Amino acid sequence: SYVLTQPPSVSVAPGKTARITCGGNNIGSKSVHWYQQKPGQAPVLVIYYDSDRPSGIPERFSGSNSGNTATLTISRVEAGDEADYYCQVWDSSSDHPGVVFGGGTKLTVL
Amino acid sequence: QVQLQESGPGLVKPSDTLSLTCAVSGYSISSSNWWGWIRQPPGKGLEWIGYIYYSGSTYYNPSLKSRVTMSVDTSKNQFSLKLSSVTAVDTAVYYCAITKSGSYWNPVDYWGQGTLVTVSS
Repeated sequence: SYVLTQPPSVSVAPGKTARITCGGNNIGSKSVHWYQQKPGQAPVLVIYYDSDRPSGIPERFSGSNSGNTATLTISRVEAGDEADYYCQVWDSSSDHPGVVFGGGTKLTVL
Repeated sequence: QVQLQESGPGLVKPSDTLSLTCAVSGYSISSSNWWGWIRQPPGKGLEWIGYIYYSGSTYYNPSLKSRVTMSVDTSKNQFSLKLSSVTAVDTAVYYCAITKSGSYWNPVDYWGQGTLVTVSS
């Protein structure tokens, strides 16, 4: 089965840039979606199809995907960005296609 | 505006079947979206359970497939999850969700608030 690997944690100072990676075998050939989840809340889609932003998501959130790594970039980080972030793909490469989530990354704003 | 609301028992005994329903409001379940269930054990990450289309087509997580059944009730605009032979590892917050319109590979667009199901005797 397809595996997505995320760093457990990323720390960044306010106003700086946070980069959260999502590794997977030839992930660049897949479409990657990113979700933000704050404590006690359901996840919220922040980036889809590698780099598209849903309406209402600040331009500070951007995404890229190439080779074996997809990256969620958050510019000018704010305290309110502190949350868990999950990447997600649809894996059609196996006999049992389906959704795969990364393990999640906790973003801490110092 | 799309609203999803999970309902069902918050406590299930080991070896029993977990049953949850997701009521959909503000949107037709017969639209071209996939409807799904995703769970999250306490303090852990997200785990996809499966998707269903209003026609009844399904995709299930291979690791849960033997125990999962999803169904759609278009007359009530809701869909359901049954997970059989539960154990403590099935304790989690269960979310119902809808993908963006179109394909099953689209991202989840809306989530329910989630409901905690505890498996314990």
